Amino acid sequence: ELKVEQNPLFLSMQEGKNYTIYCNYSTTSDRLYWYRQDPGKSLESLFVLLSNGAVKQEGRLMASLDTKARLSTLHITAAVHDLSATYFCAVDFYGGATNKLIFGTGTLLAVQP
Amino acid sequence: GAVVSQHPSRVICKSGTSVKIECRSLDFQATTMFWYRQFPKQSLMLMATSNEGSKATYEQGVEKDKFLINHASLTLSTLTVTSAHPEDSSFYICSAIKNTGTDTQYFGPGTRLTVL
Repeated sequence: ELKVEQNPLFLSMQEGKNYTIYCNYSTTSDRLYWYRQDPGKSLESLFVLLSNGAVKQEGRLMASLDTKARLSTLHITAAVHDLSATYFCAVDFYGGATNKLIFGTGTLLAVQP
Repeated sequence: GAVVSQHPSRVICKSGTSVKIECRSLDFQATTMFWYRQFPKQSLMLMATSNEGSKATYEQGVEKDKFLINHASLTLSTLTVTSAHPEDSSFYICSAIKNTGTDTQYFGPGTRLTVL
């Protein structure tokens, strides 16, 4: 069974602090995405990780991928209130005729002043 | 660019009626489009994969007769929720893949469906 699990599901953190969101998946995949979703909105693409050991950074967010451990991390550095949102990882899975995305459970991040 | 639009953005309907949601790729051709459903405070669940000119592929547990998908052109896919019931109330999001061989999905802004 395909599973993509995120940890934690909810994260309340103070501004200026660092934290990491974890994404574990149960099947082999060569591609992993991170998305941000604000309340009532659709998805905003943050990162696409294409290979083992890939690391990408944008502002206060950094994502990494370990395909052997089937683990991706999203690290938040010196959090600010604007980062408050729900973050999803999604694994690219070849389902036969075409690839499809399997989404993680999501992590609701609340950054407190 | 890679812009995907959805229409309507929000719809309220009575139980038993049918609702059609459109998904358009505005600046590219999309051989494949996907439909997702998202319940409040939950993740996105893939409903079906829509290929231009052929029947959609539905995920396990998704009723084909209830959620009719048509992908009549390379820029338009429609999802019709037939005989809608309150439990169909959800956020429906489509995505599209460019017809260039890459697999990156570009997401629409979503449609909020409320069935009374």
